[in-house]
Amino acid sequence: KAGVTQTPRYLIKTRGQQVTLSCSPISGHRSVSWYQQTPGQGLQFLFEYFSETQRNKGNFPGRFSGRQFSNSRSEMNVSTLELGDSALYLCASSLGGGLAGYNEQFFGPGTRLTVL
Amino acid sequence: KQEVTQIPAALSVPEGENLVLNCSFTDSAIYNLQWFRQDPGKGLTSLLLIQSSQREQTSGRLNASLDKSSGRSTLYIAASQPGDSATYLCAVKSQGAQKLVFGQGTRLTINP
Repeated sequence: KAGVTQTPRYLIKTRGQQVTLSCSPISGHRSVSWYQQTPGQGLQFLFEYFSETQRNKGNFPGRFSGRQFSNSRSEMNVSTLELGDSALYLCASSLGGGLAGYNEQFFGPGTRLTVL
Repeated sequence: KQEVTQIPAALSVPEGENLVLNCSFTDSAIYNLQWFRQDPGKGLTSLLLIQSSQREQTSGRLNASLDKSSGRSTLYIAASQPGDSATYLCAVKSQGAQKLVFGQGTRLTINP
């Protein structure tokens, strides 16, 4: 069974640009969560999608957005990039559903975003 | 607000030693706790998941315990090997929240 895949693996952008990251969950998983990892703040929750609906959102500005498609694949978008957005962006998938709270989360390899 | 703390921040031990990594959390109303391993520049690998109703889980040389009432978990690594060198993260999922709250991690180095 294939794991969580994320594309692209590396991105270099300049301030003011926008970027779209993609995540394909494990087959059969319907919940996708996104996390940002930086040396200073550690791992922070961005948002979670289940059945194409945003179910939870972290404390990030509106420049960070996401969506989920009917096949459970998810994208996140960051507009008007700032230097501080440089980070490793990790996607996690889980089964979701009625007992979602108890589900194990599986992470992808991440997308390393560098903003110059 | 759930807060997760891991001590120590870094640990260096000789190969073959048994070791314990610690994790504490402030809110005991959790669904579960997960231990992850992260190699430099890589994603997270799930090591063990302990549900709130469980006291421990084992996988190979790894054993994780959970004391929900005191807000503590430990990850025990037996007979450590250089390949165990990585950052170990614990994360809890609080009831009512569909997100993991992570500790800052323990950077483990096993010296040959």
